[in-house]
Amino acid sequence: DAGVIQSPRHEVTEMGQEVTLRCKPISGHNSLFWYRQTMMRGLELLIYFNNNVPIDDSGMPEDRFSAKMPNASFSTLKIQPSEPRDSAVYFCASSQRTSGKSTDTQYFGPGTRLTVL
Amino acid sequence: AQSVTQPDIHITVSEGASLELRCNYSYGATPYLFWYVQSPGQGLQLLLKYFSGDTLVQGIKGFEAEFKRSQSSFNLRKPSVHWSDAAEYFCALSGGYNKLIFGAGTRLAVHP
Repeated sequence: DAGVIQSPRHEVTEMGQEVTLRCKPISGHNSLFWYRQTMMRGLELLIYFNNNVPIDDSGMPEDRFSAKMPNASFSTLKIQPSEPRDSAVYFCASSQRTSGKSTDTQYFGPGTRLTVL
Repeated sequence: AQSVTQPDIHITVSEGASLELRCNYSYGATPYLFWYVQSPGQGLQLLLKYFSGDTLVQGIKGFEAEFKRSQSSFNLRKPSVHWSDAAEYFCALSGGYNKLIFGAGTRLAVHP
């Protein structure tokens, strides 16, 4: 299995520009998560999809952030306009939600390192 | 409130020495607990998980962890550390809707 695939691996952009991060979950997984990792805040969940439907977006920092999952094999996280404080590593993770409980293991992608100048 | 605390930010051990990384949690129900490892520039890899049953769980790479409900702890151990174990280790708690709550992480350095 190829695992969770994220692109790009590195992104450098200027303040005010639109940034789109992409994620391909593991085939057959029906849950997808976007996390952000910073030195100050550690790892924090931004949004969670189940069967392509956003379930919990309470972690999305503000309206500049949006996420979509048009189908089971693709998701995007968009920041528009980007700001220097958005600089972080963004991880996508997927899992197979079967039990309805919080026991499903999440598998993480390699992350996208975003730098906003 | 649900939370995970990893008291040690940095730990340095000598190669071949034993290792214990501490993790304490706060959760109102039966906790589902995980340990992940992150090598530099990499994503998070699952080491082991505890859902129920035997309180001593075995993971990959020779790691194990023990769940102690009375102490609200889930410490990670390895009897003999290898240089390749140098990485950052995260303890996590699974809350509602599969939401993972991570500790701040412990960075492990291994001296030859």
